Amino acid sequence: QKEVEQNSGPLSVPEGAIASLNCTYSDRVSQSFFWYRQYSGKSPELIMSIYSNGDKEDGRFTAQLNKASQYVSLLIRDSQPSDSATYLCAVRGFQKLVFGTGTRLLVSP
Amino acid sequence: KAGVTQTPRYLIKTRGQQVTLSCSPISGHRSVSWYQQTPGQGLQFLFEYFSETQRNKGNFPGRFSGRQFSNSRSEMNVSTLELGDSALYLCASSLDRAEQFFGPGTRLTVL
Repeated sequence: QKEVEQNSGPLSVPEGAIASLNCTYSDRVSQSFFWYRQYSGKSPELIMSIYSNGDKEDGRFTAQLNKASQYVSLLIRDSQPSDSATYLCAVRGFQKLVFGTGTRLLVSP
Repeated sequence: KAGVTQTPRYLIKTRGQQVTLSCSPISGHRSVSWYQQTPGQGLQFLFEYFSETQRNKGNFPGRFSGRQFSNSRSEMNVSTLELGDSALYLCASSLDRAEQFFGPGTRLTVL
């Protein structure tokens, strides 16, 4: 079992829709959770961090964490073509930050 | 505040050679982590340094090494390059075990 799992996609949504990206992790003692966006040919950019159960909102982005289910998600409201990128979930356990392989999101005009 | 910088941005080497990559973290950040990113494997953790000490190491052969200087700048070295070492090498800095911020990366091509 991978430490951090994401569906590779692509996830295709029309412009203006809500994109829902999901991530599961295996280490129960994980404390910190992050979402990064990576455009093709660029480095990952931090867009959200979440540390406690529940929802955290920042503009069009909402991160959701459920530690009991070992599940973290990212919702993107009013998706724009500029949101088309790969979204990486990262989970910090006791030692290191572990990344999922990412979900490719395609937003069509 | 300036971001993470990495030099060089692009490198072309041949098999058997060695390479040194450099990373300057965000001012005030004492933790530097290195990752290798390839299309097939995603982001793979190489090592993490904090205050000049290697705190964690990933599952890479001994050909991959690194160090951190007193000013928090870090270097990583790959010796005896192999074709499979072709990748994007990313450096990330953070305030200890907090959010990591990535540099633009060094794209290494091994011929």
